[in-house]
Amino acid sequence: AQKVTQAQTEISVVEKEDVTLDCVYETRDTTYYLFWYKQPPSGELVFLIRRNSFDEQNEISGRYSWNFQKSTSSFNFTITASQVVDSAVYFCALSGVNTGFQKLVFGTGTRLLVSP
Amino acid sequence: DVKVTQSSRYLVKRTGEKVFLECVQDMDHENMFWYRQDPGLGLRLIYFSYDVKMKEKGDIPEGYSVSREKKERFSLILESASTNQTSMYLCASSLAAGDRSEQYFGPGTRLTVT
Repeated sequence: AQKVTQAQTEISVVEKEDVTLDCVYETRDTTYYLFWYKQPPSGELVFLIRRNSFDEQNEISGRYSWNFQKSTSSFNFTITASQVVDSAVYFCALSGVNTGFQKLVFGTGTRLLVSP
Repeated sequence: DVKVTQSSRYLVKRTGEKVFLECVQDMDHENMFWYRQDPGLGLRLIYFSYDVKMKEKGDIPEGYSVSREKKERFSLILESASTNQTSMYLCASSLAAGDRSEQYFGPGTRLTVT
């Protein structure tokens, strides 16, 4: 069975602080994809990144960076110099070869509150 | 850009009513999904469709049905709405391709059943 755990329910930071959102996953698939989504107060989930299980290189996009470590089954997301607009619920998700990569298993989300 | 639209942002229905939630995508995606989102539970898959007239049950299909008569449209039906179906409903679509399997979401419909 596949499972995604986001142990941090809510994180509060002050603007310009760095913050890391944790994601731990479980899967028996040897090939799988990991995702991060952002859900701002408007409600629409926005796709941020997809990573396949064979690519453990860290990725950076502006203030966002992702650290994928197969050894610890983690795919953590760091926001550098957080801004108020980063306030949202962030979801980590997983898809595997057993479902043809068609279905996503989501974590329960981490609510990030960035105050001025 | 992928565009997924849902027929209503907010909906209030009475117990026992038949409810239709409509979703349309404009990117010719093969796959479409219906989720419900509840606090503390994340997103749970209700139904999934991988082709016209094809559907597959998700994790919580009880009390729901779906219809996909055209590739771009996927409807969620609550045959007889109940108060425990009060929730945020999210529609999504994706390509049927492993390396491009990210799902794109609509804005959601917040349904209240009284």
